[in-house]
Amino acid sequence: NAGVTQTPKFQVLKTGQSMTLQCAQDMNHNSMYWYRQDPGMGLRLIYYSASEGTTDKGEVPNGYNVSRLNKREFSLRLESAAPSQTSVYFCASKTMINNEQFFGPGTRLTVL
Amino acid sequence: QQQVKQSPQSLIVQKGGISIINCAYENTAFDYFPWYQQFPGKGPALLIAIRPDVSEKKEGRFTISFNKSAKQFSLHIMDSQPGDSATYFCAASGDRGSTLGRLYFGRGTQLTVWP
Repeated sequence: NAGVTQTPKFQVLKTGQSMTLQCAQDMNHNSMYWYRQDPGMGLRLIYYSASEGTTDKGEVPNGYNVSRLNKREFSLRLESAAPSQTSVYFCASKTMINNEQFFGPGTRLTVL
Repeated sequence: QQQVKQSPQSLIVQKGGISIINCAYENTAFDYFPWYQQFPGKGPALLIAIRPDVSEKKEGRFTISFNKSAKQFSLHIMDSQPGDSATYFCAASGDRGSTLGRLYFGRGTQLTVWP
């Protein structure tokens, strides 16, 4: 099992450009999450999806959109990137059995 | 409003010493308290977790101490090793039985263990 995979690993954008961060999990988990990690701020929840077909806002949703394409895939889209969105983005998934979240390796995004 | 407060922000410990990281929360609905470990360039990974029906949980050199009345919990790393150097996050969740399992994270502690 690959677990949680994320693409790309690194990305540099110019202000105003758009991009989609991809996430997939092969553990048959129902719930999936997108976090951003900034120095000294911990992990902050952007959006989450309790199950296929549902999505909800987290703490810091402004400037982002998400799509739960199917049970495996959960993408995060930046429509018009801003320097404040420079961050490391993590996708995670969770089984219904317990509360353990499994994280992907992250995408390091720089917006110039 | 920060749901989980973590301290210290950074910690330097000598090899063989005890590392202690503390967290506090306000929401009494929280019923799951994990600690995550993150190495540079990697995603966080679950280290150890506790539920409020016990006051302590030990796994190898790692122990969580939980004080329900004080709404505090802490991670103790005994016999700290250079390989333990990482960032540690505490977290809390109150979604027992829910599919959401939303976690609220502390801001992290960067631990350095020097030989």
